[in-house]
Amino acid sequence: KNEVEQSPQNLTAQEGEFITINCSYSVGISALHWLQQHPGGGIVSLFMLSSGKKKHGRLIATINIQEKHSSLHITASHPRDSAVYICAPCSGTYKYIFGTGTRLKVLA
Amino acid sequence: DAGVIQSPRHEVTEMGQEVTLRCKPISGHNSLFWYRQTMMRGLELLIYFNNNVPIDDSGMPEDRFSAKMPNASFSTLKIQPSEPRDSAVYFCASSFRGGSVDTQYFGPGTRLTVL
Repeated sequence: KNEVEQSPQNLTAQEGEFITINCSYSVGISALHWLQQHPGGGIVSLFMLSSGKKKHGRLIATINIQEKHSSLHITASHPRDSAVYICAPCSGTYKYIFGTGTRLKVLA
Repeated sequence: DAGVIQSPRHEVTEMGQEVTLRCKPISGHNSLFWYRQTMMRGLELLIYFNNNVPIDDSGMPEDRFSAKMPNASFSTLKIQPSEPRDSAVYFCASSFRGGSVDTQYFGPGTRLTVL
């Protein structure tokens, strides 16, 4: 069993839809990152959280440490949100454990 | 700030050749990471430096891989000899380690193709 499981693996949505990406992990962590990777592009850290909820623009990330689960929500999705979203729990102070990613495509 | 700078952005080489990837971290950052990304294995940590010292190299696949950080503003990842299975995107990331978990800033990556 993988240490980090993301669902769904692939997601196609219509512009304006509310999107949820889920991440479950099995190891103890100090924090969790959500990363965004555009096709052919680099990797950007969207959020780092260790409890509760964080919001940035149309993006919301939540984490439940007891249940070892995190979600990334995108409200009013837009084609420019099309990317791979990677959940990365952090074990210790630096060691990310990367999920396999959720490939999101938002259609206009 | 220019962000993390990597060079080259693309490298195509033949099996058996030496490959050197370069990274300039964000100024002021004291931690540097090399990652490899493949379709099969996703993102993997290869090596982690803190204050120019290698702290964790458990992800370096084999002796053909070596990494150095001679100063705070430069690091190299070398593969010698290269093999087709080394084909991947190699990312460098840096952070300022000030205590607990730190956000890592990724470079644009080097896409390596070994023929």
